[in-house]
Amino acid sequence: AQSVAQPEDQVNVAEGNPLTVKCTYSVSGNPYLFWYVQYPNRGLQFLLKYITGDNLVKGSYGFEAEFNKSQTSFHLKKPSALVSDSALYFCAVRHAVDDKIIFGKGTRLHILP
Amino acid sequence: NAGVTQTPKFRVLKTGQSMTLLCAQDMNHEYMYWYRQDPGMGLRLIHYSVGEGTTAKGEVPDGYNVSRLKKQNFLLGLESAAPSQTSVYFCASSRLESTDTQYFGPGTRLTVL
Repeated sequence: AQSVAQPEDQVNVAEGNPLTVKCTYSVSGNPYLFWYVQYPNRGLQFLLKYITGDNLVKGSYGFEAEFNKSQTSFHLKKPSALVSDSALYFCAVRHAVDDKIIFGKGTRLHILP
Repeated sequence: NAGVTQTPKFRVLKTGQSMTLLCAQDMNHEYMYWYRQDPGMGLRLIHYSVGEGTTAKGEVPDGYNVSRLKKQNFLLGLESAAPSQTSVYFCASSRLESTDTQYFGPGTRLTVL
């Protein structure tokens, strides 16, 4: 079965420090992986996706994600965190059979001023 | 463009009451989705539609019905609301060529007493 796991419910990072939000996946075949962000009282917004090619994918708002096939991971990263990055982050994978998106449970990111 | 809009934003129902949530998109997207978001469970797909006049079940369809009479609208109905349906409901849409990049509405917070 296709699935993603976000092992951390919450991540706290000081402003200006690098941040990492972890995601591991389980898929059959080639993985199509995504990150979405949800700001308070808003719907989800697409951040970035990995389909094929370079293992380092760049997305919106200075975020990037590193695809690691051997570790089946797709961690979200940013070199220098901003307070405005505080939000709920979802990792997702596209189902191989019916193309539906399967979301992880989400990780709440707190950037401390 | 308004993007994806949802009506209403908030609603309180009593057990057994019925209601319809309306989703509208002005991006001419073929695909539309209804999700529910519950704490610690991420987003779960209720129903989706790949085009006008077609609907399909998602992960948690029981207790819900949907209709897509017009391409731009996707309605989610609760015929007899139950407390277990207390949740935040999100509508999303996507292009046929890029189903993994979904555009979300702002959500509807539903409480069933």
